[in-house]
Amino acid sequence: GQNIDQPTEMTATEGAIVQINCTYQTSGFNGLFWYQQHAGEAPTFLSYNVLDGLEEKGRFSSFLSRSKGYSYLLLKELQMKDSASYLCAVKDSNYQLIWGAGTKLIIKP
Amino acid sequence: GAVVSQHPSWVICKSGTSVKIECRSLDFQATTMFWYRQFPKQSLMLMATSNEGSKATYEQGVEKDKFLINHASLTLSTLTVTSAHPEDSSFYICSASPEQAPNTEAFFGQGTRLTVV
Repeated sequence: GQNIDQPTEMTATEGAIVQINCTYQTSGFNGLFWYQQHAGEAPTFLSYNVLDGLEEKGRFSSFLSRSKGYSYLLLKELQMKDSASYLCAVKDSNYQLIWGAGTKLIIKP
Repeated sequence: GAVVSQHPSWVICKSGTSVKIECRSLDFQATTMFWYRQFPKQSLMLMATSNEGSKATYEQGVEKDKFLINHASLTLSTLTVTSAHPEDSSFYICSASPEQAPNTEAFFGQGTRLTVV
């Protein structure tokens, strides 16, 4: 079966750095996506990785290792507004997005 | 970026009635749209894949006669929850991509909060 694992919840301090891990086992791979979702809202796109390595976009970076079936999302200089759920998703061989359960990130002052 | 509009944002209906939710791609054509359901504190669950001009593909466990999907044009898909019950109360979200390509992210509608009383 297809499976994506990420931690259920993480807590970090404002101004600090946090890394959210994601491991996946899917039938085929056509890219890995990270989305941010605030409660009661639709997900918003953060990043996309299809090749191994690090993609940096402002305070957010995403890393991919296809051989290990592993990715992480790195958030720097945390702000209170970063409190949200972070969803890892993989496009499988049919280009269908397979979703992880999401990681709820709590930022404390 | 591409925009997907979903309407209504929230709706309250009585048990036994039907509710229609619309999903429109505003600046691109989408031959395929996806309908998700999300219960509180849970992840997105794919309900069905809506295909323009043909029947939708439903995920296992989703009743196709209860959740009617119509994708009559390249920019509009509708989800109708028929004979709604309180357990159908949830957050329904649609998504679409300009094309089925590896590097194209899914764009989401705003979501519809359905409450059945």
